[in-house]
Amino acid sequence: AQKITQTQPGMFVQEKEAVTLDCTYDTSDQSYGLFWYKQPSSGEMIFLIYQGSYDEQNATEGRYSLNFQKARKSANLVISASQLGDSAMYFCAMNWMNTGFQKLVFGTGTRLLVSP
Amino acid sequence: EPEVTQTPSHQVTQMGQEVILRCVPISNHLYFYWYRQILGQKVEFLVSFYNNEISEKSEIFDDQFSVERPDGSNFTLKIRSTKLEDSAMYFCASSELAGGTDTQYFGPGTRLTVL
Repeated sequence: AQKITQTQPGMFVQEKEAVTLDCTYDTSDQSYGLFWYKQPSSGEMIFLIYQGSYDEQNATEGRYSLNFQKARKSANLVISASQLGDSAMYFCAMNWMNTGFQKLVFGTGTRLLVSP
Repeated sequence: EPEVTQTPSHQVTQMGQEVILRCVPISNHLYFYWYRQILGQKVEFLVSFYNNEISEKSEIFDDQFSVERPDGSNFTLKIRSTKLEDSAMYFCASSELAGGTDTQYFGPGTRLTVL
């Protein structure tokens, strides 16, 4: 069964520093997508970045990049130049072809705190 | 920028009552989803809906749950007889297509409290 593991319940980083949030996944499907979402204290889920299993380049979106290591089944989120507004829960998620990519499975999340 | 909207933002109900949670997906999206997040836990998939029928559902989505697209814009989740353990944040999401590249965009959620 598909599974997402986020082993860091909490992370601290100083403003303007970079931080890496870990995500490993498990699937037997060859075709899948990996996503990161941000959940601020207000509760909404904000899409950050996507990586497809066949993408050879690591995805980047502004200050967010995804360090995709397929052989290790990891999809770590890197946030460069952290800002106070980055303080939030971060969830890694995946979908896969066997369910028509319709079902997202989420990890347990990492709470990021950015300090001044 | 288009967004998914949900109403109400917070619903309080008594155990055994029926509730309907409402969502307006992004207008050109074809796939609609419901997820729930029990406080402090991870987000769990409930159901996906395409072409006026359920296309995938989880084991959580039992007979007390139903979904409907009553008109061209709304997408609803009905819980027939609420239980205490149904207390959670319920997220609606939509995607243009269903494919590995297709991102699901989430609404702000409805916090359901069952007393």
